[in-house]
Amino acid sequence: KQEVTQIPAALSVPEGENLVLNCSFTDSAIYNLQWFRQDPGKGLTSLLLIQSSQREQTSGRLNASLDKSSGRSTLYIAASQPGDSATYLCAVRGNYGQNFVFGPGTRLSVLP
Amino acid sequence: EAGVAQSPRYKIIEKRQSVAFWCNPISGHATLYWYQQILGQGPKLLIQFQNNGVVDDSQLPKDRFSAERLKGVDSTLKIQPAKLEDSAVYLCASSLTGGGVGEKLFFGSGTQLSVL
Repeated sequence: KQEVTQIPAALSVPEGENLVLNCSFTDSAIYNLQWFRQDPGKGLTSLLLIQSSQREQTSGRLNASLDKSSGRSTLYIAASQPGDSATYLCAVRGNYGQNFVFGPGTRLSVLP
Repeated sequence: EAGVAQSPRYKIIEKRQSVAFWCNPISGHATLYWYQQILGQGPKLLIQFQNNGVVDDSQLPKDRFSAERLKGVDSTLKIQPAKLEDSAVYLCASSLTGGGVGEKLFFGSGTQLSVL
């Protein structure tokens, strides 16, 4: 059974810092991995999706990497801004038609 | 393009009462999902529909939860009777086919349920 963890649970950084959020999964037989952002009281917004054959994806200041063999993905946020404050969740889809399994998220606060 | 629509946004009920949530997915999306998100946790899948058929309802507490997607478009999730532990945000999501390469999930804003 796939399990997804995210460390740290919460992170507070000053504006302008580069930061890394971590996602770990127990079963490396994945189809793809998706990073989401969730603002308080809102639904989830997809940020980046990495297929199992890819090593990384980039969108603006965001870069997500995937290392299937070690069961890890990282989300790199460059030059953080207060508007980046939100909870970031990763979700993993297995190879055999399974649905996405979500991690608990990392709550990020970027201080002005 | 309109996103995933959900209603109501908030609902407060007493235990043992019933409640229903509604979701309209993005137009053309064949797959619809209902997730339960308890505070501080990631979303947990309750049920997945492909058009109007159920693909996965293995984590749906069927003694009290039910869901339908008539005509393969919008969907309703019902809880009857509600328990205190059902307090959570109920999220609806949709995707184009449910498994295509590079296919993303799109979420609605959710319904926040409080059971007193």
